[in-house]
Amino acid sequence: DAGITQSPRYKITETGRQVTLMCHQTWSHSYMFWYRQDLGHGLRLIYYSAAADITDKGEVPDGYVVSRSKTENFPLTLESATRSQTSVYFCASSELNTPQRYGYTFGSGTRLTVV
Amino acid sequence: QKEVEQNSGPLSVPEGAIASLNCTYSDRGSQSFFWYRQYSGKSPELIMSIYSNGDKEDGRFTAQLNKASQYVSLLIRDSQPSDSATYLCAVKGSGGYQKVTFGIGTKLQVIP
Repeated sequence: DAGITQSPRYKITETGRQVTLMCHQTWSHSYMFWYRQDLGHGLRLIYYSAAADITDKGEVPDGYVVSRSKTENFPLTLESATRSQTSVYFCASSELNTPQRYGYTFGSGTRLTVV
Repeated sequence: QKEVEQNSGPLSVPEGAIASLNCTYSDRGSQSFFWYRQYSGKSPELIMSIYSNGDKEDGRFTAQLNKASQYVSLLIRDSQPSDSATYLCAVKGSGGYQKVTFGIGTKLQVIP
């Protein structure tokens, strides 16, 4: 199916473990983004990517790593999970090369709990 | 001061009324403005975008932008219970990278 898919939908992990959240889009969109959403903070940008092999930090990048070896995939890795990383994570992509003008399409989200 | 401010609500309106959702932003150089709708437990969905001062209409939705006052609003006419959701205001600032800042969202409740 065309679209942007995230996996897993739900994840519980222990403090200190490495965990990877997957994001896959079928549109060949250039821009992809990772956001976290927390009560009282809204959506905050973690990392974004303008194309394969081009990534850059957002507002809250500490403790996260991204890669983009293929246009369609943009995984987010928590190197050593902490309880403060308990959140809902959204991946997004943008239709055109000017995402600031045309808005984003979001995946369904991953609810991550770190215990 | 937050970059994008919204009242978290809830804003309650009766069915059939006009719902007015408001947003202010701090970056005077901001160029692009968006409204997303987010149902509980779901992902945000883009419903409106606006770039120029004035009004932009799309069906029952009207986005209004006043750059001088740094204010953007969303009007929903003939509100329906299915409009009950959280509405996120998002602003592309004048920063050099692809930064869109989201407000915390306003929860709208349409009462049948």
